[in-house]
Amino acid sequence: DAGITQSPRHKVTETGTPVTLRCHQTENHRYMYWYRQDPGHGLRLIHYSYGVKDTDKGEVSDGYSVSRSKTEDFLLTLESATSSQTSVYFCAISDRDTEYFGPGTRLLVL
Amino acid sequence: DQQVKQNSPSLSVQEGRISILNCDYTNSMFDYFLWYKKYPAEGPTFLISISSIKDKNEDGRFTVFLNKSAKHLSLHIVPSQPGDSAVYFCAASANEGAQKLVFGQGTRLTINP
Repeated sequence: DAGITQSPRHKVTETGTPVTLRCHQTENHRYMYWYRQDPGHGLRLIHYSYGVKDTDKGEVSDGYSVSRSKTEDFLLTLESATSSQTSVYFCAISDRDTEYFGPGTRLLVL
Repeated sequence: DQQVKQNSPSLSVQEGRISILNCDYTNSMFDYFLWYKKYPAEGPTFLISISSIKDKNEDGRFTVFLNKSAKHLSLHIVPSQPGDSAVYFCAASANEGAQKLVFGQGTRLTINP
């Protein structure tokens, strides 16, 4: 299994509060990604990073920001959480041929 | 607009038989395709991939077929086993490798004894 951990694994928060999800890898891969999974949509790309301090937007980036200050860590921040951001969030890393996924963070925004 | 579509939300197959999962795409720039398997409360795990320069790739019980003219790919599982019961996602990339994947909605496969 690829060395990817996500924290927290579960979180309940209130509308309007900031939330930060962390992804940590031990594989030294250059590319890291944040996806969200919702019923009927599969997984959708939020943001990705192609190196330290190099990030770009994905398909559903509104309301999210990311930071990558070290190769091994990729943070996803919801500046002001909304109920529409209730979802399961997956971090992924990739080599050339495959993306490997973390175990996921289940976020509930009340 | 859904660029990768899995039109069957669910599929039920008898143990030992062949399972065929289908996926269609609309973006002709996609050049690399993958299948993932997902169990509840876990992250997706990689199954098999295929480059657009091939039309078939096989790995044990799993075979992926690509029909570029029809913009269609399929995953065959033979023989199907109870542990194959999961949600299967197809994904596509336009980056000559597994980067910035676009996923289908998923198909829930149930293998019946």
